[in-house]
Amino acid sequence: EAQVTQNPRYLITVTGKKLTVTCSQNMNHEYMSWYRQDPGLGLRQIYYSMNVEVTDKGDVPEGYKVSRKEKRNFPLILESPSPNQTSLYFCASKEGLAGANTGELFFGEGSRLTVL
Amino acid sequence: QKEVEQDPGPLSVPEGAIVSLNCTYSNSAFQYFMWYRQYSRKGPELLMYTYSSGNKEDGRFTAQVDKSSKYISLFIRDSQPSDSATYLCASMIYNQGGKLIFGQGTELSVKP
Repeated sequence: EAQVTQNPRYLITVTGKKLTVTCSQNMNHEYMSWYRQDPGLGLRQIYYSMNVEVTDKGDVPEGYKVSRKEKRNFPLILESPSPNQTSLYFCASKEGLAGANTGELFFGEGSRLTVL
Repeated sequence: QKEVEQDPGPLSVPEGAIVSLNCTYSNSAFQYFMWYRQYSRKGPELLMYTYSSGNKEDGRFTAQVDKSSKYISLFIRDSQPSDSATYLCASMIYNQGGKLIFGQGTELSVKP
C-alpha cells in the first residue's frame, strides 16, 4: 500500500529535550516536505526537499532541522523544542516536478506534538 | 495578508444541501488550484485540482476557478454525512518547486 508513515503519532515532551519525528514514504517520490498545522493558520511549510541531499527552507523553518540522506526518509529534528512548537505536524511527498502539475501531495497521518 | 484566504467556518448543513466553499488568493502567478479534504485525525487528501480558470466536475463535486477575481470555489451537491470534514484550498506556482500554499481550511458538518 502506498503511504507516508510518520512516527511518533503523539508525543508530549519538555522544553529543550531534543526530539526527532521520522517520516518514510514507499512511493519512490523525489519531493518530500514537512508542514505544521495550527488553528486559524492552516498548513504552513517548514522545510522541503526536492531530492536526496537537497533541502530548503519553507515558510516557518526556525527551530527545525531536516536531513535527506535517503530518498524514502525525511526526518524532522527539533534540537531544543519550545512551547510555540506545539502543533500538529505532517510529512508529505510527491513525484517532484514531473508530478507537480497536479499538486497531489501524499500526506502522512500526522504527529501531534506537545511541548511543556 | 495570507496569499490564500479561506473562511474557517465551521459550516453546518442538512443532508442533501448544496454546499459552497470559497477561497480568495492574492498572487496572480498562481497557476494550479487544488482542494484537499481532511477527515478528523487524518492527513489531507487531494480531492480535485484545476489548471487556470474554468470548471471541473467529478461526481457530486465541482471545482471552479475565476482568475479575474482570484476566486476559488468548491461545490458539493447532495451533501452526505460522509462529506463532513475540513476542506482546504491550495494554490501552486509550477516553477517554484511545486510549492503549495494552503488556505486555513473550512470545517464542514453535514447533519443527517
